[in-house]
Amino acid sequence: KQEVTQIPAALSVPEGENLVLNCSFTDSAIYNLQWFRQDPGKGLTSLLLIQSSQREQTSGRLNASLDKSSGRSTLYIAASQPGDSATYLCAVSPVFTGGGNKLTFGTGTQLKVEL
Amino acid sequence: DAGITQSPRHKVTETGTPVTLRCHQTENHRYMYWYRQDPGHGLRLIHYSYGVKDTDKGEVSDGYSVSRSKTEDFLLTLESATSSQTSVYFCAISVGAVGDKFGYTFGSGTRLTVV
Repeated sequence: KQEVTQIPAALSVPEGENLVLNCSFTDSAIYNLQWFRQDPGKGLTSLLLIQSSQREQTSGRLNASLDKSSGRSTLYIAASQPGDSATYLCAVSPVFTGGGNKLTFGTGTQLKVEL
Repeated sequence: DAGITQSPRHKVTETGTPVTLRCHQTENHRYMYWYRQDPGHGLRLIHYSYGVKDTDKGEVSDGYSVSRSKTEDFLLTLESATSSQTSVYFCAISVGAVGDKFGYTFGSGTRLTVV
């Protein structure tokens, strides 16, 4: 059974700092990995999706890397801002087993960026 | 969230009563999913659908049933609500199966409290 772990569970940084969020998974037979953002009381917003054949994806100040063989992904946030405060979740898709893209989620990292 | 709505947004119900949550999409996506989110567990898949009248179980399907009679609607029913089903329920849609480069879109969630 796939298990996804995110460390740290919570993180507080001053504005402007660069930071790294970590995600590890136990079964390297994945098809892709997604990073999501969740604001309090809201749904999830997809930030980046990395296919298993890719090493990284970038969107603005966000960069996500994937090392499938070691079962690890990192989300790098450059020049953090208070608006980045949210919970960040990673999720992996299994190799196709029929019928849908069934994600396994980590429990998230709660990020607070302080002025 | 654009293209996907959940109703109701909040509900309080009594133990033993049936409850139905609705997910409606305007994107004409083939795949729809129901997840629940609980502290310490992240999001866990309850049921999913890969087409009209085509559904299957996820990781935590006991006590839940689903129906999809139209592409746009996916209903989640708690047959006889229990306190352990107090949770936030998220619906999601995806264009395709594993390997879909477009990933997921989530609804805003339904907060269900069983008393």
